[in-house]
Amino acid sequence: DGGITQSPKYLFRKEGQNVTLSCEQNLNHDAMYWYRQDPGQGLRLIYYSQIVNDFQKGDIAEGYSVSREKKESFPLTVTSAQKNPTAFYLCASSQGARSNQPQHFGDGTRLSIL
Amino acid sequence: DQQVKQNSPSLSVQEGRISILNCDYTNSMFDYFLWYKKYPAEGPTFLISISSIKDKNEDGRFTVFLNKSAKHLSLHIVPSQPGDSAVYFCAASIYGQNFVFGPGTRLSVLP
Repeated sequence: DGGITQSPKYLFRKEGQNVTLSCEQNLNHDAMYWYRQDPGQGLRLIYYSQIVNDFQKGDIAEGYSVSREKKESFPLTVTSAQKNPTAFYLCASSQGARSNQPQHFGDGTRLSIL
Repeated sequence: DQQVKQNSPSLSVQEGRISILNCDYTNSMFDYFLWYKKYPAEGPTFLISISSIKDKNEDGRFTVFLNKSAKHLSLHIVPSQPGDSAVYFCAASIYGQNFVFGPGTRLSVLP
């Protein structure tokens, strides 16, 4: 079955530690996205990538980093510079620009601070 | 400045009746609109979409209406079922890029 896999489902971070959230898709989608959701709020865009080896900052990129070395993979690193990392993180993919096709989402990773 | 707004944080509807969820947007460049449904601790699930060249799209119990002049879209669910209870997000994009999401409306369908 095609889809998006996020791992782990739950993640704990210690103060001053970097953690990496995994996102893999087998939908052959060109574009991939990372969103953050805080309680009672909508989805805010962290980073997105329209093509391999290219990515752009979203609305709240500070304290985060990404890479897009393979079409299938778009890992997100939450660095120690992100002072309020506790949130639900969602990865999505879509066919990309010039195609009116929906984004498809993974099941999310919940990150908490120890 | 929110480009996509959902002014009702919550909505309660009796089972079997119609649920109407509303969404307003400010950017006239948006040409593709979507509705997603989300359960707690899960990713959003795509429900239905509409291109700006249409004013209505229907899929089973779900119908989306688009009023471009008012920059308003709505999702109608008929008949509403208890399993429809979830948070519904409206989203918009320009030519398949840069999806912008509203804050969501929590729908409760009462048995």
